[in-house]
Amino acid sequence: EAGVAQSPRYKIIEKRQSVAFWCNPISGHATLYWYQQILGQGPKLLIQFQNNGVVDDSQLPKDRFSAERLKGVDSTLKIQPAKLEDSAVYLCASRAYAGNTIYFGEGSWLTVV
Amino acid sequence: SQQGEEDPQALSIQEGENATMNCSYKTSINNLQWYRQNSGRGLVHLILIRSNEREKHSGRLRVTLDTSKKSSSLLITASRAADTASYFCATPPPGYSSASKIIFGSGTRLSIRP
Repeated sequence: EAGVAQSPRYKIIEKRQSVAFWCNPISGHATLYWYQQILGQGPKLLIQFQNNGVVDDSQLPKDRFSAERLKGVDSTLKIQPAKLEDSAVYLCASRAYAGNTIYFGEGSWLTVV
Repeated sequence: SQQGEEDPQALSIQEGENATMNCSYKTSINNLQWYRQNSGRGLVHLILIRSNEREKHSGRLRVTLDTSKKSSSLLITASRAADTASYFCATPPPGYSSASKIIFGSGTRLSIRP
């Protein structure tokens, strides 16, 4: 079974530029998550989708971050404009509707300079 | 808001020894999970323990849950170099019962010395 796919793996941008991350969850998984993990900390939930609807985006900085999952499968996370403090790993994860286990991708590493 | 917090923040042991990590949380939960993260990789689910369970085993892993003390421990027996990783406990947010939404602690960084 293929895992959660993310791209790009690494990205370096200058502050005020924009960046987009893509995620393809495990086939059939209805729930998709985006987490932000700053170095030395645990992952922080940014947004949770159930199919193509948003379940929770309370910790998403909506003035600069946006995410969509238009067809209930792939998802993109965009940051515009980026700030230095956005340097982190952005982890996508998915979960089957009736499952307890959340499966994570390898993450997209963002460095803002 | 953070729910669980791991202790110690970092742990270094000799290969073959046992490693114990603890997690304390603030509000009542009905399940707690442990995840492992190897350097530069995503998180991998290790084990889920429910509030009506006191202990659970999976291979060399043993997890305990004490709901009266609001704490959990993860024991790795006979540690190996490949166990070097960060370990996170994860709990539902306050007022949330499902395992579908979880909050992570800051993790314990475990290093196994050869």
